[in-house]
Amino acid sequence: DAKTTQPTSMDCAEGRAANLPCNHSTISGNEYVYWYRQIHSQGPQYIIHGLKNNETNEMASLIITEDRKSSTLILPHATLRDTAVYYCIVRVGGWWGDKIIFGKGTRLHILP
Amino acid sequence: DAGITQSPRYKITETGRQVTLMCHQTWSHSYMFWYRQDLGHGLRLIYYSAAADITDKGEVPDGYVVSRSKTENFPLTLESATRSQTSVYFCATTGQVNTEAFFGQGTRLTVV
Repeated sequence: DAKTTQPTSMDCAEGRAANLPCNHSTISGNEYVYWYRQIHSQGPQYIIHGLKNNETNEMASLIITEDRKSSTLILPHATLRDTAVYYCIVRVGGWWGDKIIFGKGTRLHILP
Repeated sequence: DAGITQSPRYKITETGRQVTLMCHQTWSHSYMFWYRQDLGHGLRLIYYSAAADITDKGEVPDGYVVSRSKTENFPLTLESATRSQTSVYFCATTGQVNTEAFFGQGTRLTVV
């Protein structure tokens, strides 16, 4: 089962920051938080990941709470092209590799 | 071309037929994954592989068989297709544990 909980859907006005929350209260100390998005029926696209520090790249920022039980993905200036399903994933990795288990995700609608 | 490719992109088959979906990656990545995505739902892990000749079951392995004789290929076989296996199938790969995963474009399979 997925180890994360996300809202089913969210709306955000174009040009505003989109803040997508994720709860992962059972996360272990060595597990990373990953975010992917899926636009229409395309393959999922990597956005960002982090362990315990906040992270930023050209696409987004990831804020992880100090207790690591939740995180927020921030799209600073949402555009219509950011309309997609966003998945928050906790990676359970080990010598065998890792099972990348997806939850139901958040359907983000960017409103013009 | 470098990357991850799936073939065919679209396939219609009859109930009871054997069908194989192909996945090829050019990076020599160790880890490969197969997912299915039913209409309006998230991705579910079918099988994954940590290296050539090392495979393991995911969330929904029943009715599927995988093999990995070469690092770059990870075929998924439906030994006797059923209508419930109508879905979009995605292949993914990652080089190391806890690194970005890359997804193929998907194969849309219809079982009639």
